[in-house]
Amino acid sequence: EADIYQTPRYLVIGTGKKITLECSQTMGHDKMYWYQQDPGMELHLIHYSYGVNSTEKGDLSSESTVSRIRTEHFPLTLESARPSHTSQYLCASSELKNQETQYFGPGTRLLVL
Amino acid sequence: DAKTTQPNSMESNEEEPVHLPCNHSTISGTDYIHWYRQLPSQGPEYVIHGLTSNVNNRMASLAIAEDRKSSTLILHRATLRDAAVYYCIPSSGNTPLVFGKGTRLSVIA
Repeated sequence: EADIYQTPRYLVIGTGKKITLECSQTMGHDKMYWYQQDPGMELHLIHYSYGVNSTEKGDLSSESTVSRIRTEHFPLTLESARPSHTSQYLCASSELKNQETQYFGPGTRLLVL
Repeated sequence: DAKTTQPNSMESNEEEPVHLPCNHSTISGTDYIHWYRQLPSQGPEYVIHGLTSNVNNRMASLAIAEDRKSSTLILHRATLRDAAVYYCIPSSGNTPLVFGKGTRLSVIA
């Protein structure tokens, strides 16, 4: 059973608000990822990190930012939410070794009004 | 990353075997083939992965073609809980997994 948590699970917020989506894992994994998924559509990688103080942008351009100050924590921030940010955000983690399984959190469903 | 081709959707009767195909003709020699599935309203979960030999675990079997240009995920007895989107993902392991559209499996009681 994967120990990766995301909060909040659901968030409804007004345009222009700053939001932070939390992701934590207790498995000591070095690699962490953020994916964005619209209903019925593909997952798109938006950010990833291979360790503390390391962050990279993914394949899909995103206005969000991430930080990795602690191994277990990988928050995603939107400085000014817009309706186009409405989506599901999925966090995942894996060990540093290659070909290791990615474990996913339950996701945060974001609705920006 | 290697391109993959999977059927958009498949249907199976409950308790019947299901063979989910995937073509990955541009796979490199060192790419492993990973399969994940995503149940409704959940994040993806790992199913199985392999390099050249066929692989079995408690969830499924993975049959890899000798030329590695295709593979088949085999669910031996489909249950209603197996209804999900199944993703076939070739990966070198050096970069994050890239999820395509996958195959949506429906299981009929």
